[in-house]
Amino acid sequence: EDQVTQSPEALRLQEGESSSLNCSYTVSGLRGLFWYRQDPGKGPEFLFTLYSAGEEKEKERLKATLTKKESFLHITAPKPEDSATYLCAVVYNQGGKLIFGQGTELSVKP
Amino acid sequence: EPEVTQTPSHQVTQMGQEVILRCVPISNHLYFYWYRQILGQKVEFLVSFYNNEISEKSEIFDDQFSVERPDGSNFTLKIRSTKLEDSAMYFCASSSQPNYGYTFGSGTRLTVV
Repeated sequence: EDQVTQSPEALRLQEGESSSLNCSYTVSGLRGLFWYRQDPGKGPEFLFTLYSAGEEKEKERLKATLTKKESFLHITAPKPEDSATYLCAVVYNQGGKLIFGQGTELSVKP
Repeated sequence: EPEVTQTPSHQVTQMGQEVILRCVPISNHLYFYWYRQILGQKVEFLVSFYNNEISEKSEIFDDQFSVERPDGSNFTLKIRSTKLEDSAMYFCASSSQPNYGYTFGSGTRLTVV
């Protein structure tokens, strides 16, 4: 069964057009929710960690939020260089195993 | 900024051959991981390693796979007899604590022919 589901699978935006990516999870005992950016052929690049419902974190044009069932990655006024696949992952056990969603491929056109 | 370094970046091997993928984690990290990503699919957990032993492994990590920390800096993944379905990107990651700030390497693209 899917424990981490991301939507949409792909998102095309015009430069400056704000939007949100969703990550829903079904694990119990969440220990942390992670957002990563992945460029083609590269490893995941860490963006944020969220630990409890209500928590929010920001970095430049990105803002991540967390509820008890899902997380959102809000992108404000995106630029073409924000184009990448955004991955969500959760940890629910002490060993720190990350369970990834399938990612949202974001394309921002000038 | 500290990095996780993986070598080689790309390896092509014949089916049935052994391969060793190498990783140099961040120096003060204590927790080490291997993940893989088959083209177009999710990033999947393979194994976690702490205090010189495996903490957890997935169903994928069968007897053909092994990990080792041969010295104070390297962390290796060995596949004893590669299969076509082992073709994937393999990522090494490390962290100072579980649930905190995992750093991934750039990956090794393994192609089994």
